Amino acid sequence: DMKVTQMPRYLIKRMGENVLLECGQDMSHETMYWYRQDPGLGLQLIYISYDVDSNSEGDIPKGYRVSRKKREHFSLILDSAKTNQTSVYFCASRQGYEQYFGPGTRLTVL
Amino acid sequence: AQSVDQPDAHVTLSEGASLELRCSYSYSAAPYLFWYVQYPGQSLQFLLKYITGDTVVKGTKGFEAEFRKSNSSFNLKKSPAHWSDSAKYFCALEGGSNAKLTFGKGTKLSVKS
Repeated sequence: DMKVTQMPRYLIKRMGENVLLECGQDMSHETMYWYRQDPGLGLQLIYISYDVDSNSEGDIPKGYRVSRKKREHFSLILDSAKTNQTSVYFCASRQGYEQYFGPGTRLTVL
Repeated sequence: AQSVDQPDAHVTLSEGASLELRCSYSYSAAPYLFWYVQYPGQSLQFLLKYITGDTVVKGTKGFEAEFRKSNSSFNLKKSPAHWSDSAKYFCALEGGSNAKLTFGKGTKLSVKS
């Protein structure tokens, strides 16, 4: 069964703190994604990773960076979080044309 | 540039009726088109895709969609609708070979029993 995991599921941080969101998949998929979902805005692509150390900006990369040192793990990092980064973050991995989404991380930045 | 428009933020219908959720896209070449569904409190799940070939594609949960190049649309259909179809539906487009998807803002479907 295809599975994408995300940790943590819920996170509260203060403005200016660093944030690390983790994503894992056990399917050895090459391509992985980070999105954020805000009410009324659908999903917005932050970064895409085509494999280890092969990352590309999405539509809204500002304020974010990513790390992929193993194919199974894809991290999203917020250096000095801002209140407008409060959102639900989804990770996904891709097989063929289909994306498999993780359960999401609800991040609140106070 | 590529974009997806889902003009209906909310759709409400009665159980047993036919549902059709609208999606239009803008892309200069042949697009790859997708529908995903998000049930309340859950993540997104793949429903169906159009890559090439038959313009009517069938997916999971009894859904189908029709690709119409003439008016750049990819509408999702199901008949009859069931109360369990209540969810938010997202249309998405992949253009080119970079595997990047552009999602519409979604349509929230409410099916009343």
